[in-house]
Amino acid sequence: NAGVTQTPKFQVLKTGQSMTLQCAQDMNHEYMSWYRQDPGMGLRLIHYSVGAGITDQGEVPNGYNVSRSTTEDFPLRLLSAAPSQTSVYFCASSYQGGGGNTIYFGEGSWLTVV
Amino acid sequence: EDQVTQSPEALRLQEGESSSLNCSYTVSGLRGLFWYRQDPGKGPEFLFTLYSAGEEKEKERLKATLTKKESFLHITAPKPEDSATYLCAVRATSGTYKYIFGTGTRLKVLA
Repeated sequence: NAGVTQTPKFQVLKTGQSMTLQCAQDMNHEYMSWYRQDPGMGLRLIHYSVGAGITDQGEVPNGYNVSRSTTEDFPLRLLSAAPSQTSVYFCASSYQGGGGNTIYFGEGSWLTVV
Repeated sequence: EDQVTQSPEALRLQEGESSSLNCSYTVSGLRGLFWYRQDPGKGPEFLFTLYSAGEEKEKERLKATLTKKESFLHITAPKPEDSATYLCAVRATSGTYKYIFGTGTRLKVLA
């Protein structure tokens, strides 16, 4: 049971380039989300999804795009990378029924935009 | 506005010196409060979920408690391997799917 898997682990981009961070979970969780973690600011929600075909914006969505075509996968697209998007990105997932709403995180993707 | 504040920002303990980390929260209604441990270069690792005031959960040297305004993570006789950043998060009952995270407490346990 792999849990939440993110790729790549590390990436360097030039300003203006686009890329996709991949996230997959094998726990059949309805809820998936992307966070960024910056020093002193904690984890901030970028986008989330409550099921296939359903996505919504979080706290800091600008410059990012998501889609959810399957229950398992939730890719995060950077449309035109900017230095302000240098951060650590975490994908997370959870059940959404009853008390089972603890979220579980992937190992993170370190992105540097130069 | 829903908010989570953790204190202290950083804590240094001698091995065996027990202490507590604080997580104060303000939400319209609490659906759950979560504690995570995060090691450098890793994703947050789930520790506990608490749902109602008065609830307590334990795991090895860690014990989490919950009141209507705050949660404590008590660390009893810590060891160097307990060194990490401890994160607190809440989820409100306000109908959104947002989990609000604190900025964490960086714990260093010295041998």
